[in-house]
Amino acid sequence: SAVISQKPSRDICQRGTSLTIQCQVDSQVTMMFWYRQQPGQSLTLIATANQGSEATYESGFVIDKFPISRPNLTFSTLTVSNMSPEDSSIYLCSVGGNERETQYFGPGTRLLVL
Amino acid sequence: AQSVAQPEDQVNVAEGNPLTVKCTYSVSGNPYLFWYVQYPNRGLQFLLKYITGDNLVKGSYGFEAEFNKSQTSFHLKKPSALVSDSALYFCAVRDIGSGYSTLTFGKGTMLLVSP
Repeated sequence: SAVISQKPSRDICQRGTSLTIQCQVDSQVTMMFWYRQQPGQSLTLIATANQGSEATYESGFVIDKFPISRPNLTFSTLTVSNMSPEDSSIYLCSVGGNERETQYFGPGTRLLVL
Repeated sequence: AQSVAQPEDQVNVAEGNPLTVKCTYSVSGNPYLFWYVQYPNRGLQFLLKYITGDNLVKGSYGFEAEFNKSQTSFHLKKPSALVSDSALYFCAVRDIGSGYSTLTFGKGTMLLVSP
């Protein structure tokens, strides 16, 4: 199984600012995913990030708000831009997108926006 | 479209008793099914999956799940619950052959095991 780390593990931010979350995987992977878990809710897919191409965003999520970088096969970043208290969530990085593959998750980044 | 339903927000069970956490799914094709567990202040940990083969799948920490195609269910079970099993459990589905490789998650079920 892949070992996934995320930085920061948690942060408290002021509204209007931006936060970039890093995701590092211990092996090369084609597909990386970013999820949001709002308080008391399930996981919602934000976008899929493939190396060498633009990220694909799910309905309700836009690149201006959640820009994603995927510079190589082991690393990705998600930026939460112009934050508001509604962005307070756990953000999780995930890998493993082929049909038969298990999808593994990072430990998450807990974001509180004041 | 694929979807997952976890009908119980919370399941309470006494330590040593068997536990069941329910999950039903809807897909247009054939399903790949997964169970994950989330402990407080932790990420999601993979428990088990059904791809093909035996309907009874065994996973980590003594958990197992039974795939029932006719009832479109994939309930998580454990013969004897431990207090340390108390956590949030998520069922997820991936629709085989849909060309869409991402998982759809249920809303989660909180399992509370009392001493």
